[in-house]
This record gives sequence, C-alpha cells and structure tokens, in this order.
Amino acid sequence: GDSVTQMEGPVTLSEEAFLTINCTYTATGYPSLFWYVQYPGEGLQLLLKATKADDKGSNKGFEATYRKETTSFHLEKGSVQVSDSAVYFCALSRVSSGSARQLTFGSGTQLTVLP
Amino acid sequence: ETGVTQSPTHLIKTRGQQVTLRCSSQSGHNTVSWYQQALGQGPQFIFQYYREEENGRGNFPPRFSGLQFPNYSSELNVNALELDDSALYLCASSSTSVDEQYFGPGTRLTVT
Repeated sequence: GDSVTQMEGPVTLSEEAFLTINCTYTATGYPSLFWYVQYPGEGLQLLLKATKADDKGSNKGFEATYRKETTSFHLEKGSVQVSDSAVYFCALSRVSSGSARQLTFGSGTQLTVLP
Repeated sequence: ETGVTQSPTHLIKTRGQQVTLRCSSQSGHNTVSWYQQALGQGPQFIFQYYREEENGRGNFPPRFSGLQFPNYSSELNVNALELDDSALYLCASSSTSVDEQYFGPGTRLTVT
C-alpha cells in the first residue's frame, strides 16, 4: 500500500538557519504530493503541493520539488523564523478504494526555531 | 469564504459509550473526509463522503460510521468506544475538481 516516510524529529534550529525536512514516498501510479503544517492545538493547514514530476510547490518561503526518480518531496526554507515552529506533515493523495481521493500522511516532524 | 468548522472542540466519554462529531464543509466543497490523529502521529484516513454516500474507507471497523447531508455537512459516529479511540478527529472538505483537502480545527476525544 501507499506510505510516506519523513525525517525523524524533533528538529531544532536557530532563527535564519536553512531548513530541510526529508520526505520519501511509496505509491502506485502518479500521486499528488503535499506538505501540511500543524500549529499547537490546531488542525492542519495546507502549505504547498505538487501534482506531477518536476513540479515545484512554494508558499511563504517554503519550497518542495516532486522528484519521481527518487520518490522524494523534501521541504526546504532558506531562512526560518520563530513563527515557523510547528509540526510538518508530508502527504500523498491518490484515488484509492471506491472513488475516494484519500491522503496518506507521514508521521510528522516537529520543528522548533530558537531566537 | 467560510472555512471548515467542527463541533464540539473537546469531548470526554466513557468506554462503551457512543459519540457523534459534526463537521461543516467549506463553501463550494461537496466532499468530506474524516481522519483520526493519535497523539504524536500523522492523521489516518477513516472514510470519505460524496453525494451523501460513502465512497471510500480506510482500515477502520464498522463501529465507525458517518453521514453526509444535502448541504454537504457531515457527522462521524463511533459506537462502543474503546480507550484507543482517544484522538484528535479531523474533518477535511474538498471539491471533485481539485485534489487538495482543507482541514477543520478538529475535535479532541478522550475516552476514559
């Protein structure tokens, strides 16, 4: 079945440091790939997405490129801020049972940015 | 544009009881999905509703059931609650024309 593997956390960085969170996936066909962010006590917010190979999703300074040859979708940001502290989830979407388009998530990576 | 809303925010139930969680989808969205997020883990897909019918289900037992109403809002019902059902339950709405899902704030269920 489908699966998503994320870099183990937690990750602690100083403000303005470079961020990389690794994500690899296993899926049949051509899934869409997503990064979601979850702030303490809240639901998930869509951060960015890519729907086909070599697409780059970007939002709020975060970027990720859909690499089919390495089945990866690593999240990067050039200069993190304290406000980026949250849990980040990599996910894939594919039509599965019935006609449902379900999301399969990784286990999440806790990011803490220190001032 | 109104986002996804869920109620209640928190709920405490006793093992063996039944619970109903509610979700209102984002304006313009006709599909609702439910996910269970245990503490420290990623969300797990429970099921999805489209046109008031379940059109996909994850690896959850039949005591997890749902409904979708003509206005696209939805309910998640869980019977015979078990301690392991304690989790954050997330509702997500989407449209058939796009593949991203938008999440509500969740309902925190505690089973004692």
